[in-house]
Amino acid sequence: SQQGEEDPQALSIQEGENATMNCSYKTSINNLQWYRQNSGRGLVHLILIRSNEREKHSGRLRVTLDTSKKSSSLLITASRAADTASYFCATGGWNAGNMLTFGGGTRLMVKP
Amino acid sequence: DAGVTQSPTHLIKTRGQQVTLRCSPKSGHDTVSWYQQALGQGPQFIFQYYEEEERQRGNFPDRFSGHQFPNYSSELNVNALLLGDSALYLCASSFDRVGTDTQYFGPGTRLTVL
Repeated sequence: SQQGEEDPQALSIQEGENATMNCSYKTSINNLQWYRQNSGRGLVHLILIRSNEREKHSGRLRVTLDTSKKSSSLLITASRAADTASYFCATGGWNAGNMLTFGGGTRLMVKP
Repeated sequence: DAGVTQSPTHLIKTRGQQVTLRCSPKSGHDTVSWYQQALGQGPQFIFQYYEEEERQRGNFPDRFSGHQFPNYSSELNVNALLLGDSALYLCASSFDRVGTDTQYFGPGTRLTVL
């Protein structure tokens, strides 16, 4: 079963616009991570935010975490055609080894 | 610095056969996790190996088994293949230490069961 649910499932925007993706989860977490996947290949780690953090930035990426609402958002600013990919949130629990539980993903298309 | 590598890239098998997938972790990493990703879905955790033992297991039948070698590389074995086992199999490596929670994924092995 999947812990997280991404919203929307698909998003289409123009180059230069901002893209916002949301993730909701069900159980207590230690951390939440966002990954990108191009064309069914491997996952690329984007950013990790811990349960005691509220916001984190990395380049054009901004992630927020609201543990009271069990939700997170990923904002990509000034999007580029190369940002076209599927984006997944994954939650890590408190158990050793940090097993990740993924959501179903948001498919982002950025049109040039 | 080599990242996570997996072999083979693609594999075609028929129902009932057995398959072995291989993974080499990122340099310095000691923990390997395996995930199954069906088409159009997010990855699902299969199991994790640390110190050559299975440490955690997801909701997968015993047909799925694995192994970790002293050099930290790992294998995923699937017996009695079913059509539903067709998926992208992803290996992820990490370093087992408090505060190092990021998992790095390999490119995956695409398994097709006919």
